Amino acid sequence: ELKVEQNPLFLSMQEEKNYTIYCNYSTTSDRLYWYRQDPGKSLESLFVLLSNGAVKQEGRLMASLDTKARLSTLHITAAVHDLSATYFCAVESDSSYKLIFGSGTRLLVRP
Amino acid sequence: GAVVSQHPSWVICKSGTSVKIECRSLDFQATTMFWYRQFPKQSLMLMATSNEGSKATYEQGVEKDKFLINHASLTLSTLTVTSAHPEDSSFYICSASSGEVSYEQYFGPGTRLTVT
Repeated sequence: ELKVEQNPLFLSMQEEKNYTIYCNYSTTSDRLYWYRQDPGKSLESLFVLLSNGAVKQEGRLMASLDTKARLSTLHITAAVHDLSATYFCAVESDSSYKLIFGSGTRLLVRP
Repeated sequence: GAVVSQHPSWVICKSGTSVKIECRSLDFQATTMFWYRQFPKQSLMLMATSNEGSKATYEQGVEKDKFLINHASLTLSTLTVTSAHPEDSSFYICSASSGEVSYEQYFGPGTRLTVT
């Protein structure tokens, strides 16, 4: 059974600081997704990582995937308040295309 | 492209009544649609997967007689919560996949259900 662990669960950081959110998963998969969720809203797609070694960047966020280690990271560079949200990673099951979500990381960026 | 809508965006109903939530893919044909439930401050939990024209596949622990899913066309899936109870109050999110280029799921805006 595919399990996805995300940490930390909560992250309070100051503006302009850097930090990394980690996403570990338990079985083989080549597709991993990162989403952002604002309070009361649905998911906004951030990154789609489809192969080992994939790295994608958008603004202050950069995501990477290591399928051999079954690990993805979401790196935040020089955080700003607008990045405050909950971030989820989700791993696609190899056999069924279902998404299994991590528990989410609630990010609060303080002035 | 790849827009998914949900209706209603929020609904309040009395205990014991049924509520129907619609999920539509607006600019693509969705061969597969997924229904998720999210309780406050929790992650998304997959309830069921539906393919157009066939019966939905429910995840373990999800009552198929309580959560009726119909995927009658390539652009519409419905979730009916039958005999709703306060514990069914949640945020319901659907997603749709075309399965053509990839199986990436596109998420709807969600429906907040409150059962009183």
